[in-house]
Amino acid sequence: NAGVTQTPKFQVLKTGQSMTLQCAQDMNHNSMYWYRQDPGMGLRLIYYSASEGTTDKGEVPNGYNVSRLNKREFSLRLESAAPSQTSVYFCASSEAYGQGYGYTFGSGTRLTVV
Amino acid sequence: SNSVKQTGQITVSEGASVTMNCTYTSTGYPTLFWYVEYPSKPLQLLQRETMENSKNFGGGNIKDKNSPIVKYSVQVSDSAVYYCPSTCFYNNNDMRFGAGTRLTVKP
Repeated sequence: NAGVTQTPKFQVLKTGQSMTLQCAQDMNHNSMYWYRQDPGMGLRLIYYSASEGTTDKGEVPNGYNVSRLNKREFSLRLESAAPSQTSVYFCASSEAYGQGYGYTFGSGTRLTVV
Repeated sequence: SNSVKQTGQITVSEGASVTMNCTYTSTGYPTLFWYVEYPSKPLQLLQRETMENSKNFGGGNIKDKNSPIVKYSVQVSDSAVYYCPSTCFYNNNDMRFGAGTRLTVKP
């Protein structure tokens, strides 16, 4: 079982460049999430998609956009990368959006913006 | 809103027992999860505590706003970051994470 797959695993961008982080899950989960992880800050929610066709902002959405392409895929886009967006990005999915549903996480994308 | 509080860092020697606390503030009784992040590995679910199964987990109770995780006879391989996020029925249903507890086990 692949679970949650993220690509790429590593990326270096120059300030102002754009890129899309890809995430796909093969568990038929309805809900998907994007988090960023920074030292001493834990994981912070950027955006989530409770179900196919819906997306909503999390704690730190500024500078990002998302697309729920279909039930399997949820992408995160940086339109104009900034050094403050240097982080490790995790995608996760859950069976549904509601308290009590555990998340399955991907391996992460380590992004450096110079 | 809901928030969780965890001990920042714990360092112990191999074979010791360790308790990692997770205290939270919430207007309701959320489900509490523990996740572990080993180096270069995705976060993995360790346990899920609800009002219904709370008595099965050592030392803590959701009504007391505390859900510790206890590890006995730890090994170096238990060194990881342990997260205790929570969801709360009365607010957003997504998980909010703190900085986690970094457990270091020395040989």
